[in-house]
Amino acid sequence: GEDVEQSLFLSVREGDSSVINCTYTDSSSTYLYWYKQEPGAGLQLLTYIFSNMDMKQDQRLTVLLNKKDKHLSLRIADTQTGDSAIYFCAERLSDSGNTPLVFGKGTRLSVIA
Amino acid sequence: SQTIHQWPATLVQPVGSPLSLECTVEGTSNPNLYWYRQAAGRGLQLLFYSVGIGQISSEVPQNLSASRPQDRQFILSSKKLLLSDSGFYLCAWSVPPSRGFGPGTRLTVL
Repeated sequence: GEDVEQSLFLSVREGDSSVINCTYTDSSSTYLYWYKQEPGAGLQLLTYIFSNMDMKQDQRLTVLLNKKDKHLSLRIADTQTGDSAIYFCAERLSDSGNTPLVFGKGTRLSVIA
Repeated sequence: SQTIHQWPATLVQPVGSPLSLECTVEGTSNPNLYWYRQAAGRGLQLLFYSVGIGQISSEVPQNLSASRPQDRQFILSSKKLLLSDSGFYLCAWSVPPSRGFGPGTRLTVL
């Protein structure tokens, strides 16, 4: 079945690292995504990782994938107040381009100055 | 580059009134189009997706319908809104491997 789970809230101090975790149940997932949603706005794609990769780094963002445990994490280094938002983990279940994404409920990240 | 437009940005409607939300995509041809809903405190739920003009797939039974009259236009409708239709509605496009989301429409049904 399709199920993506995330913790709902995370609070960190400015300058610290944030780690947002996600677990999924379907082992046939091909791509996994992280989206950011700022208050009142749409979704912004932050990064994605193919299921045959373990890690992907993009500036302050590091994505780690443990396919055996079906665990995905997003690490934000040197977290800033502008990083406060809801972060959604999503999976795509097949290689077909029109396959919709399955989203988690989102993790609300609060950054304390 | 691709651009997606959604309107209106905010809508407050009484129960029982009709609904029409519109989404258009620029800068690409034959995109796959999607409508998602985000209810308060919940994640994103896929409502409809379309792989071409006039082709609509519905993911969940509900009070809403979708239409795709043109290649880059996707419309979400309802004949009579329910209180439970309140939420944040997101239109999305994909032309593999690219994807994008619209800015969203916040619908409040009173």
